[in-house]
Amino acid sequence: EIVLTQSPGTLSVSPGERVTLSCRASQNVSGKFVAWYLKKPGQSPRLLIYSASTRATGIPDRFSGSGSGTDFTLTISSLEPEDFGVYFCQQHGNSPQVFGPGTKVDV
Amino acid sequence: QVQLQESGPGLVEPSQTLFLTCTVSGASITSGNYYYAWIRQTAGKGLEWLGRIFPNGGGMYSPSLRGRITISVDQSTNQISLKLSSVTAADTGIYFCARGSRGSYWLHPLDSWGQGTTVTVS
Repeated sequence: EIVLTQSPGTLSVSPGERVTLSCRASQNVSGKFVAWYLKKPGQSPRLLIYSASTRATGIPDRFSGSGSGTDFTLTISSLEPEDFGVYFCQQHGNSPQVFGPGTKVDV
Repeated sequence: QVQLQESGPGLVEPSQTLFLTCTVSGASITSGNYYYAWIRQTAGKGLEWLGRIFPNGGGMYSPSLRGRITISVDQSTNQISLKLSSVTAADTGIYFCARGSRGSYWLHPLDSWGQGTTVTVS
């Protein structure tokens, strides 16, 4: 079973800043099947990126993903107020579709 | 547009069995190439993938829950069910059902989610 770790655990930023989040896998992720979700309190997770770099429907282009093998990155080019929350990466290609522990992005 | 709605008892006593239901509307469970999953958010573990099922059966579960969890499909009611036995306080959290599409060999991510249902074990 793949284990995902995320860093940093918490990131304090201001609107307009560039944000880079890391997701590292314990072994190679086949097909680059890594997704990123944003979870806000009281809401269900929202899919942002899948297959490492493909934006989901309706996701603005300030969100971008990259990576392969064991190292993956989510970048937000200019943080908007609605982007605050907890970001989770996930290996989605096959079961178990494990999640990382999350990175909290706050002010 | 597909919608998923979780429902359940809210409060379960330790050692008892938790039963949750996910009602799918706007689409038939058996149409298209989709799979359904249960995920929970607990205080200690963030988001935790519990298991998934294909509409024609074939469930797979988290190794940490194997032996306690069963996910099933009821095509007649268009519902997905979760059964979790021998619950403890560690099973307290918000439980989500979600849907993703199936590729030829791989699973696409979970792009439709329910709002979640809160479960307290006490």
